[in-house]
Amino acid sequence: AQKITQTQPGMFVQEKEAVTLDCTYDTSDPSYGLFWYKQPSSGEMIFLIYQGSYDQQNATEGRYSLNFQKARKSANLVISASQLGDSAMYFCAMRMNRDDKIIFGKGTRLHILP
Amino acid sequence: DAGVIQSPRHEVTEMGQEVTLRCKPISGHDYLFWYRQTMMRGLELLIYFNNNVPIDDSGMPEDRFSAKMPNASFSTLKIQPSEPRDSAVYFCASSFSGRVNTEAFFGQGTRLTVV
Repeated sequence: AQKITQTQPGMFVQEKEAVTLDCTYDTSDPSYGLFWYKQPSSGEMIFLIYQGSYDQQNATEGRYSLNFQKARKSANLVISASQLGDSAMYFCAMRMNRDDKIIFGKGTRLHILP
Repeated sequence: DAGVIQSPRHEVTEMGQEVTLRCKPISGHDYLFWYRQTMMRGLELLIYFNNNVPIDDSGMPEDRFSAKMPNASFSTLKIQPSEPRDSAVYFCASSFSGRVNTEAFFGQGTRLTVV
């Protein structure tokens, strides 16, 4: 069965430190995409970064990078030099090639401390 | 582009009443997804459509929930009768098809409260 697991319900991190948000996934589909979204307190869903299952290199977008370990089926989000504005809920998601379904994990609430 | 548009933004209704949530996807997108967000379950996929046809409704919690997509620019999610446990934020999202690198674009969500 297809599944996304985010094991950290909440995290507290000091401002300017790097933070890693965990995500593991399960699928039998060899072709899939992995996404991270940010949901600030205002509620909107903001797309952050994408990683394809066949991509050889880890994705990066500014301060965001994705630590993709295919054999372990993990796709952790790394935020470098965290800022107060990074405080939000973060969701990991997966899109399967065979049916285009997009499923999400339960999310991790990140708190950046000044 | 106006993005995905959901209405209403907030809905408060009494238990037993019918509730209809509306969604207008981004023009040209051929996939439409309905999600429900709660503290306990996170973001659950309820149903999704491709070219207005429902592909998978296995996430719909009960027969009280139904969804339609009569055309490419409009979808509804209906709950009849509503119950307090249906209280949640309901999101609609749309995307292009064909490639796994295509992200979903979300509406602002509808916060439903059933009292």
